[in-house]
Amino acid sequence: SQQGEEDPQALSIQEGENATMNCSYKTSINNLQWYRQNSGRGLVHLILIRSNEREKHSGRLRVTLDTSKKSSSLLITASRAADTASYFCATDAGRGSTLGRLYFGRGTQLTVWP
Amino acid sequence: DVKVTQSSRYLVKRTGEKVFLECVQDMDHENMFWYRQDPGLGLRLIYFSYDVKMKEKGDIPEGYSVSREKKERFSLILESASTNQTSMYLCASRPAGTGGTNEKLFFGSGTQLSVL
Repeated sequence: SQQGEEDPQALSIQEGENATMNCSYKTSINNLQWYRQNSGRGLVHLILIRSNEREKHSGRLRVTLDTSKKSSSLLITASRAADTASYFCATDAGRGSTLGRLYFGRGTQLTVWP
Repeated sequence: DVKVTQSSRYLVKRTGEKVFLECVQDMDHENMFWYRQDPGLGLRLIYFSYDVKMKEKGDIPEGYSVSREKKERFSLILESASTNQTSMYLCASRPAGTGGTNEKLFFGSGTQLSVL
């Protein structure tokens, strides 16, 4: 299975601290994406990084990608209580990519305490 | 902004009932997807569609069917609901092609289905 795996499963931090979540996957990819899900809601796209990129920033988010290790990390700097959510990585199927489907991991539950 | 609308937030059905979950998107996207989400299992793809009347099985299609008669609407059908289909169902859409923002998925708010 191509499904990504996030690590840790759960992360609990104080406001102002940084949060780092990791994702590992199994086969080659064209891109890797991170999504956020508030409790009981749909997922919202955060950031996409392509296989030829190593790092990408968006506001307080920083994503890195190491294709040699088949891993990615999502860093949220200066976290806020409002960042409390589940975070998922998602990968496509690389060269054999079929019609835009994505493979999701099981997610990291981030809790930020005020 | 793209809007993906799922017809119900919460649904309670009885075992054996035929259940229809509706999803409508307003951005003329070619590709539409149905996922189910269960605690500890993440999102698993049930079916997807890349054009009107076209469908492809995902990883867990058993017990489900889909219908895409119009581009904006993608329906998930549980032919005979069972208790193990109690889950959160998420619909998503995206444009065809690659590059730019084409490759990100837009999700609906989800339908929490309980089968009793």
